[in-house]
Formats: sequence, C-alpha cells, structure tokens
Amino acid sequence: IAGITQAPTSQILAAGRRMTLRCTQDMRHNAMYWYRQDLGLGLRLIHYSNTAGTTGKGEVPDGYSVSRANTDDFPLTLASAVPSQTSVYFCASSDSNRGLGGANVLTFGAGSRLTVL
Amino acid sequence: GQNIDQPTEMTATEGAIVQINCTYQTSGFNGLFWYQQHAGEAPTFLSYNVLDGLEEKGRFSSFLSRSKGYSYLLLKELQMKDSASYLCAVRDSNYQLIWGAGTKLIIKP
Repeated sequence: IAGITQAPTSQILAAGRRMTLRCTQDMRHNAMYWYRQDLGLGLRLIHYSNTAGTTGKGEVPDGYSVSRANTDDFPLTLASAVPSQTSVYFCASSDSNRGLGGANVLTFGAGSRLTVL
Repeated sequence: GQNIDQPTEMTATEGAIVQINCTYQTSGFNGLFWYQQHAGEAPTFLSYNVLDGLEEKGRFSSFLSRSKGYSYLLLKELQMKDSASYLCAVRDSNYQLIWGAGTKLIIKP
C-alpha cells in the first residue's frame, strides 16, 4: 500500500540520549516534512526538504537535524533529547507543484509518539 | 504574527448539521486547507479552497471569504465516525502552511 512509514511508533527516551525517527515514502513525492503536534497547538514544522539533497528549517528547528540522501527517506535526529521534545512527530510528503498553483496536498505518516524523561 | 483561530471543541447530534469556523491572519494567502484527524491517527486531507465561494464534496462543504479572512467547514448528516478533530491550515505568501490548533468535534447519538 502506497504511503508513508514511520518508525518507531512509540518510544520512551532518557534525556541526553540521541534518537533518530525514521520516515520512508513510496509515492515518489519530491517534498517531505517533519511536524510536531502538541496539545492545544497547531502542527509546527520542524524541517522540510523540497527535493532530494536539499533541506530547510521550519518554525521550530532547534535541537533537530534532518538529511535527505534520496527521494524516499527523510530521517529526523534529536542529537541530545530534552523533555520539551516530548511530542507526537508526523512525517509528511507532497507532490510539490507549487509552480502550477496546485493544492500540494500533504500525505501524513501514522506518527511517532516520543516521551523524553 | 500569523495565526489561525478555530473553536477548541464542538458538540453535535448524529444526523444533524455542524459548521466549524476558521479565521486567519497570515502574510499573504495561497490557499486554505481542511484536514480531518481521528484520535491517535494521522491527519487526512478533506478540502482545499483558493477562490471565494463554496466547495462541495459529498456530505462535506468548505467555504472561503478571502476579504474577511474566514472559512468554514460544513458537515451534513453527521455520523458517529465524524467524531474527530478538524484542522484548518493556510498557505502563506512563502507557500508555508500555518496550522490552527484544531477543533475537536464530538458527535452524540
């Protein structure tokens, strides 16, 4: 089934530990995104990638890094986790057609629930 | 600053109609989106408006007024499965999505 796969589904992590959240899509979408979702707040963009080999910072990039070595994979790394990074993380992708003024609809993964103690 | 406002929670009765409002203040406008998110699941796309007016898609309709910075999502013939959060998002002049906090819709029998 075409879509986005995220791993792990859930993780409890000690503060100070390094953690990588994995994201893989099989739709050949060129754009990918990482969001965090916290109670009472809208989705906040952490990092994005418009195409393989390029990345950009979103609204809340501090403490996170990403890479985009190929079209399909977009891992998110927390170098040294802190309790404020406790959240649900969503990876998303889109077939970016900004130049055509299209909808550029996002397809989301199922999410990774991360708890930092 | 940029912000999207929507009610935190709404309650409606099965079979009825409910309207979820969204007002926005953003740097430019390049479209407004509605997504549905069931508890513990990923958001899924519902509708997209870029021009003023009403877009109808089955039981769901979405309205946009760019001059008023206002949209609503109208859900008709409510079903229990419509219990979910509804997220409003606006794409700004930089083609970045600004998200509202979502409206939790509770459907009662």
